[in-house]
Amino acid sequence: GNSVTQMEGPVTLSEEAFLTINCTYTATGYPSLFWYVQYPGEGLQLLLKATKADDKGSNKGFEATYRKETTSFHLEKGSVQVSDSAVYFCALIMNYGGSQGNLIFGKGTKLSVKP
Amino acid sequence: GAVVSQHPSRVICKSGTSVKIECRSLDFQATTMFWYRQFPKQSLMLMATSNEGSKATYEQGVEKDKFLINHASLTLSTLTVTSAHPEDSSFYICSARDDRDLHFGPGTRLTVT
Repeated sequence: GNSVTQMEGPVTLSEEAFLTINCTYTATGYPSLFWYVQYPGEGLQLLLKATKADDKGSNKGFEATYRKETTSFHLEKGSVQVSDSAVYFCALIMNYGGSQGNLIFGKGTKLSVKP
Repeated sequence: GAVVSQHPSRVICKSGTSVKIECRSLDFQATTMFWYRQFPKQSLMLMATSNEGSKATYEQGVEKDKFLINHASLTLSTLTVTSAHPEDSSFYICSARDDRDLHFGPGTRLTVT
């Protein structure tokens, strides 16, 4: 079946450090890929997405590139801020924009950024 | 942008009572809404898909008689946890789909004492 695997947390970084959160997927077909962010006590917000191979999603300084050859969608940010502290979820969906399936989430990676 | 609200944001109830959680799409119509449950330090588990005007579709292992879902209009879905027990304590999140994207509500923290 379809699944998402992301790196175990928690990840603790100092402000202005470089961030990478790994995400790989297994899917029959070509999914669309997403990163969601959950701030403490809140619901999920879409951070970025990519709907086909080699697409790069970007938002708020975060980037992720859809790599079909490695079935990956790693999240990166060049310089993290304390306000980036949150839980990050990688997710996939099949047939985005059409007769969609359900979002399949990874387990989430907690990021803590220290000043 | 598309906004989804949930009410209440937090609720504490006694074991054996029922609790209703509302999910509203504020500026768009949603024929499909989803209910998720999130345990501490874990991912979201899809509980059910709520379709306007028809019965909800429950995921395997989710008791439909315990978690009653009603999608009475294009902007409102409700989840009622019946005869709540402490093990039902969790963070419940709904999402609603517009033409293309899923939009998530802020979640409801349920504590059953």
